[in-house]
Amino acid sequence: QSALTQPASVSGSPGQSITISCTGSGSDVGGYNYVSWYQQHPGKAPKLMIYEVTNRPSGVSNRFSGSKSGNTASLTISGLQAEDEADYYCSSYTTISTLGFGGGTKVTVL
Amino acid sequence: QVQLQESGPGLVRPSQTLSLTCTVSAGSISSGTYYWTWIRQPAGKGLEWIGRIYTSGSTTYNPSLKSRVTISTDTSKNQFSLKLNSVTAADTAVYYCARAGLYYDILNWGQGTLVTVSS
Repeated sequence: QSALTQPASVSGSPGQSITISCTGSGSDVGGYNYVSWYQQHPGKAPKLMIYEVTNRPSGVSNRFSGSKSGNTASLTISGLQAEDEADYYCSSYTTISTLGFGGGTKVTVL
Repeated sequence: QVQLQESGPGLVRPSQTLSLTCTVSAGSISSGTYYWTWIRQPAGKGLEWIGRIYTSGSTTYNPSLKSRVTISTDTSKNQFSLKLNSVTAADTAVYYCARAGLYYDILNWGQGTLVTVSS
């Protein structure tokens, strides 16, 4: 059982925007601004897309953005493209100095 | 750009010890404020953080695995390692080594290696 809760799937048409939620508690998401998001294509290692809630690593498209409200963090993908079809995982630092992951969300581009 | 590569047996017998090594290139595991990390992913399932080690040797482990896990470094070889003892079929997964920042943002990942626990 994952520490953080994500929807199993989200879909959208090319060009649309979608948002993936990641719900935790005050002991993780709500207590710290250390939420990250990862993109994973089939058979590949995950790739960091967002760190510290809102920051994009160099080279990541500005179509990806992150936010947080209370115990829920969100990843928004705007201008959805075929290449965005992948699994997405959130993670958060926790109060016991460990890392928790969400169960993952499969994004489908219709 | 730092690169990480996992190596080790792809098949481990139940009750035995799983041992993996991660070789780091284009960067020293002794420098910088990075944490050398292991993560696993069972087939078709999500990611599970196993633990991490700092250059000082300080370790932090997932409480659910803590009694069976040891992560160590070999700075002379620029490697870090994972040992997981008393394995069962539930430990079958792709194991990733990674470099992480202070607050667990996983900056760089190895390609992953599949370890199957089976007799």
